[in-house]
Amino acid sequence: GAVVSQHPSRVICKSGTSVKIECRSLDFQATTMFWYRQFPKQSLMLMATSNEGSKATYEQGVEKDKFLINHASLTLSTLTVTSAHPEDSSFYICSARDPAAINTGELFFGEGSRLTVL
Amino acid sequence: QQQVKQSPQSLIVQKGGISIINCAYENTAFDYFPWYQQFPGKGPALLIAIRPDVSEKKEGRFTISFNKSAKQFSLHIMDSQPGDSATYFCAASSYGGYQKVTFGTGTKLQVIP
Repeated sequence: GAVVSQHPSRVICKSGTSVKIECRSLDFQATTMFWYRQFPKQSLMLMATSNEGSKATYEQGVEKDKFLINHASLTLSTLTVTSAHPEDSSFYICSARDPAAINTGELFFGEGSRLTVL
Repeated sequence: QQQVKQSPQSLIVQKGGISIINCAYENTAFDYFPWYQQFPGKGPALLIAIRPDVSEKKEGRFTISFNKSAKQFSLHIMDSQPGDSATYFCAASSYGGYQKVTFGTGTKLQVIP
């Protein structure tokens, strides 16, 4: 199946700093990628839909200025957590659909990035 | 509101037994129902999926049963193995391009030897 890579897998930062998480589709081009947030023992909550070459679409309640999403190319989307605070600590996961597998509807997920804000 | 309700929250099954996880949805526009498996510290991976034109789909030890009229679907894991221990999420979407996927709350399955 298609491969989605996330980096870094773990990041620890001080409160007030910004952190960037990268999501890459390694063997396919993704015009759309999705960013999820997952709290311990909870489900995946969609944060935003990242569209290549245009602005991201944010879900209700997600702060656009806090979580900056950039989808500059067909294989790369980035999530920047700005002025991070301890409550932003979470597991962030990106996903994408492979156009070649569009008939299956399958989402391919990255390995996730564990953010800890001290 | 697009919700997918999942139960149970956790499940302990003896090795060789059958694990059953249930989900219910509200939005009749949903037409794609996948199940994802997630191991600790990893992203989810597609396990099996079904569309509403069939009532059952089987892949190896994994079977989805789908009841369109009741708006319910379930995952059955036959001959459960310790390696199946993971968190399972049901999901639903209005497939048709890049429609977003709504996930259930997850079921943590533990298969004991």
